[in-house]
Amino acid sequence: EIVLTQSPATLSLSPGDRVTLSCRASQSVSTYLAWYQQKPGQAPRLLIYDASNRATGIPARFSGSGSGTDFTLTISSLEPEDFAVYYCQQRSDWPPITFGQGTRLEIK
Amino acid sequence: QLQLQESGPGLVKPSETLSLTCTVSGGSISSTSYYWGWIRQPPGKGLQWIGSFYYSGSTYYNPSLKSRVTISVDTSKNQFSLKLRSVTAADTAVYYCARRKIGPPYYFDFWGQGTLLTVSS
Repeated sequence: EIVLTQSPATLSLSPGDRVTLSCRASQSVSTYLAWYQQKPGQAPRLLIYDASNRATGIPARFSGSGSGTDFTLTISSLEPEDFAVYYCQQRSDWPPITFGQGTRLEIK
Repeated sequence: QLQLQESGPGLVKPSETLSLTCTVSGGSISSTSYYWGWIRQPPGKGLQWIGSFYYSGSTYYNPSLKSRVTISVDTSKNQFSLKLRSVTAADTAVYYCARRKIGPPYYFDFWGQGTLLTVSS
């Protein structure tokens, strides 16, 4: 099973800040990694697929990069609605499909 | 517009079998373009993939749950169901059904709203 480790667990930031979230895989997943955003009481929303492709309707301030075992999600300038929990997920080697444990973005 | 709606009992006793149904509208679960599956999230915790199926009849399960899980399909009702046997408190979670496309974007792009299932006597 591929284990995804996200860091940090929590980030406290302000609107307008630039933020980079990290996801590290226990073995190479090539570029078969996605990022999701989840707000309280809601289902996750797909942001980025295959490491660097924005999903339909996702603003350009969200970008992804990486390959192999190290990936990042960058939000260029935080909007108030971006404070949420972010998860990475791999599809390289399944079953099982696996998720990271999440990074919480909170308002400073 | 595609919609997925989970339904279930809300409360299950320990050692019993959990049964949930996902009703899909605005799209067909018999489509060759998608996997359909279940993901759960314990309160305050992260996401765990439970299993998925493809229209051809292939099913895929998380090895950690495989001995207790069955996903079944009713194409006449455009529904699929989850059964999880011998539940414990650790199975308390919000259960989501979701669609995963075979092609881009390849990941879970449509989700139901989720249903909370509590295991308690």
